Amino acid sequence: DAKTTQPNSMESNEEEPVHLPCNHSTISGTDYIHWYRQLPSQGPEYVIHGLTSNVNNRMASLAIAEDRKSSTLILHRATLRDAAVYYCILRGTGGTSYGKLTFGQGTILTVHP
Amino acid sequence: KAGVTQTPRYLIKTRGQQVTLSCSPISGHRSVSWYQQTPGQGLQFLFEYFSETQRNKGNFPGRFSGRQFSNSRSEMNVSTLELGDSALYLCASSLFSGGTEAFFGQGTRLTVV
Repeated sequence: DAKTTQPNSMESNEEEPVHLPCNHSTISGTDYIHWYRQLPSQGPEYVIHGLTSNVNNRMASLAIAEDRKSSTLILHRATLRDAAVYYCILRGTGGTSYGKLTFGQGTILTVHP
Repeated sequence: KAGVTQTPRYLIKTRGQQVTLSCSPISGHRSVSWYQQTPGQGLQFLFEYFSETQRNKGNFPGRFSGRQFSNSRSEMNVSTLELGDSALYLCASSLFSGGTEAFFGQGTRLTVV
């Protein structure tokens, strides 16, 4: 499985933007870039995903580098409820990738009031 | 629409027993994946079912098995329980597989004593 590299932890202040980086230098052409987050005592929650172009949804934005070897999850205005572990995952589209999300250690985001 | 439902939420079993966990995916979703989460190993992929067929399997012993029914509901079974099987077991459903977002349930917390 193609691997991703994320910082172990990041901190932010409430109401400020947060940029969570992810490196995935071995990404293949058919891998989608997914972001999930997990709040304490809950299952992971889908945040956003993309293939080549930048993506926006109500939760966040995903900026994908032109060579696709890195991406950045952007939370435009962090709230205390955004404190969670954020996982950057490459998801393939067939064969040994069926249904499989390979979770790394993720980035622990702390949001200060 | 209703999210992914996992039952039971909590379970305590004795070593050597077997256990069956249930997952009801989001209506219309045909792919169901199972994950094990422990503090030491993080989130690990167990297997994925699509239209009643297991299409992918993680690196777990044969004591871990599953099945999917025609209504897409899935069950996971663990036989001959060991202390190390104590974990949070998560189920995720997707409309298809690969590329599409996955939606997770709250999980079943299994404790083996």
